[in-house]
Amino acid sequence: DTGVSQDPRHKITKRGQNVTFRCDPISEHNRLYWYRQTLGQGPEFLTYFQNEAQLEKSRLLSDRFSAERPKGSFSTLEIQRTEQGDSAMYLCASSEESGTNTGELFFGEGSRLTVL
Amino acid sequence: AQKITQTQPGMFVQEKEAVTLDCTYDTSDQSYGLFWYKQPSSGEMIFLIYQGSYDEQNATEGRYSLNFQKARKSANLVISASQLGDSAMYFCATLTNRDDKIIFGKGTRLHILP
Repeated sequence: DTGVSQDPRHKITKRGQNVTFRCDPISEHNRLYWYRQTLGQGPEFLTYFQNEAQLEKSRLLSDRFSAERPKGSFSTLEIQRTEQGDSAMYLCASSEESGTNTGELFFGEGSRLTVL
Repeated sequence: AQKITQTQPGMFVQEKEAVTLDCTYDTSDQSYGLFWYKQPSSGEMIFLIYQGSYDEQNATEGRYSLNFQKARKSANLVISASQLGDSAMYFCATLTNRDDKIIFGKGTRLHILP
């Protein structure tokens, strides 16, 4: 296993279009997190899953954002009717359940979204 | 709710010198963890070090150590003998047992000068 992978790495879209990002976590990790990072800022928590269950969703996430992890393996993050303010790096991370308490999140390389 | 404050937006340090990156945290929970991550220009987030709130000794990992002062709610990262490859963004983060999400600070950009 080569780590957490995210696809696509870069996405440029026009305002109003829908975009979907995919994250494949490390295979034995049952926790999966989505974060958003804008330039010069730290990652902001969006949502996380334990297996297929979405356990928490940030108030930052408007109704235009939805995330799924249907089989407890890969996850998708969809943004509908994109706005220019959605431009950011979207980071996915995974961990073993016990790993959360030691902070050892394993991050993917991110998906950079640019909304024109 | 937890909060992380990193007051140094940027730092310039001569190669081979030690560097301290500041971090203060705010939480009402008794049980929590504190972490540091490194983000090079390539964008990947790399876990560096962890300190539990009940750990009596400061955490160390190679050239990294965490100066944990619980009463002052500070968790500074110390990098000894800095190297050019240490140039990156550094994020302090926290998590509580009650809340499973890790909250990050705004980061400090470290520049190591040759």
